[in-house]
Amino acid sequence: GNSVTQMEGPVTLSEEAFLTINCTYTATGYPSLFWYVQYPGEGLQLLLKATKADDKGSNKGFEATYRKETTSFHLEKGSVQVSDSAVYFCALSNDYKLSFGAGTTVTVRA
Amino acid sequence: GAVVSQHPSWVICKSGTSVKIECRSLDFQATTMFWYRQFPKQSLMLMATSNEGSKATYEQGVEKDKFLINHASLTLSTLTVTSAHPEDSSFYICSARPPQETQYFGPGTRLLVL
Repeated sequence: GNSVTQMEGPVTLSEEAFLTINCTYTATGYPSLFWYVQYPGEGLQLLLKATKADDKGSNKGFEATYRKETTSFHLEKGSVQVSDSAVYFCALSNDYKLSFGAGTTVTVRA
Repeated sequence: GAVVSQHPSWVICKSGTSVKIECRSLDFQATTMFWYRQFPKQSLMLMATSNEGSKATYEQGVEKDKFLINHASLTLSTLTVTSAHPEDSSFYICSARPPQETQYFGPGTRLLVL
């Protein structure tokens, strides 16, 4: 079956620091991969996605590359801001269903 | 962009009562809607998938008589937690999916059963 494993948090960073959240997956076939973000008190928002191997998803300074050989989709941002404080979820889908990782709480301090 | 709303945003009820949560797609028609449950500091767990006009498909371990889902129109799905108990307290999130597109999530409903 499908499963997603992501780096456990919480992660605390200073503003302008580099952020990496690791995500690996197990799936049959060729899934699409996603990163969702959940800001405090809000619902999930799609941050970025990649639908095939070697695709790079990017949005708001965040990037993640679909690595089929390592079954990974690590999220990176070069310089975080306080407003990036949120919970980040890695997810995959190879049909219409989404399977989520456990989520990583990121706190950015000024 | 696609917007999904949920109502209420939070609800407190007594044990044994039933609670209905609405999920609406505001600016698109959703052929499929999903209901998730999220425990504190944990991930989202899919409870069921509903297609407009047909019965919901429940994930393994989810009691269909406990969590009644109705997808009466292309813009509305409801989740009713029947005879709620404290262990049903959780954050319930819906999502809606237009044809051939990704899911759009609602803001969630926090349920507390006393």
